Amino acid sequence: EAGVAQSPRYKIIEKRQSVAFWCNPISGHATLYWYQQILGQGPKLLIQFQNNGVVDDSQLPKDRFSAERLKGVDSTLKIQPAKLEDSAVYLCASSPEPPGANVLTFGAGSRLTVL
Amino acid sequence: AQTVTQSQPEMSVQEAETVTLSCTYDTSESDYYLFWYKQPPSRQMILVIRQEAYKQQNATENRFSVNFQKAAKSFSLKISDSQLGDAAMYFCAYRRPRKLVFGKGTKLTVNP
Repeated sequence: EAGVAQSPRYKIIEKRQSVAFWCNPISGHATLYWYQQILGQGPKLLIQFQNNGVVDDSQLPKDRFSAERLKGVDSTLKIQPAKLEDSAVYLCASSPEPPGANVLTFGAGSRLTVL
Repeated sequence: AQTVTQSQPEMSVQEAETVTLSCTYDTSESDYYLFWYKQPPSRQMILVIRQEAYKQQNATENRFSVNFQKAAKSFSLKISDSQLGDAAMYFCAYRRPRKLVFGKGTKLTVNP
């Protein structure tokens, strides 16, 4: 089966600019996750979708970050305006319905550098 | 809040030798899952092994095995017969009920 697709792989922007990342999960996976991984740290969950709905966005900086998952398939994560501390790798992951729901499959990530 | 601690920022091992990566976690739950993920330099996170907390038997996947000590809240990963391709960041992760929490990772270097 095809894996989790993410684009772009790399993005360099200046602070206060905006950026958008796209994710296409594994076909049929109901749950989609966006993680932020800052250099030297483990991934931190930003937002989790179950089909179209948001399950958890408690750690999403809502003043600048937004995410949507249209039709329960693809998802877009947007940052506007970007700050220096947003430099990180943004990982998308997906998982199926139970009983396999605990196993996440990750994409290759989108590396953001904010200058 | 659940936390995951990996006390070894970096580890190294000689090819064909065995290495153990440490992980401890904090939880008040009795039913949960634990995972080890591998992240090679290409940055795609790959599941190495998982353990259900209700199972007493330690999980094994080929050269990878865990030592799960539920009372001590310890979950270490043993890699036997280390290979150059094992070089990567290794993350321990805890999942309950639907949130996956990661440790900060251990960078494993495999020396030829």
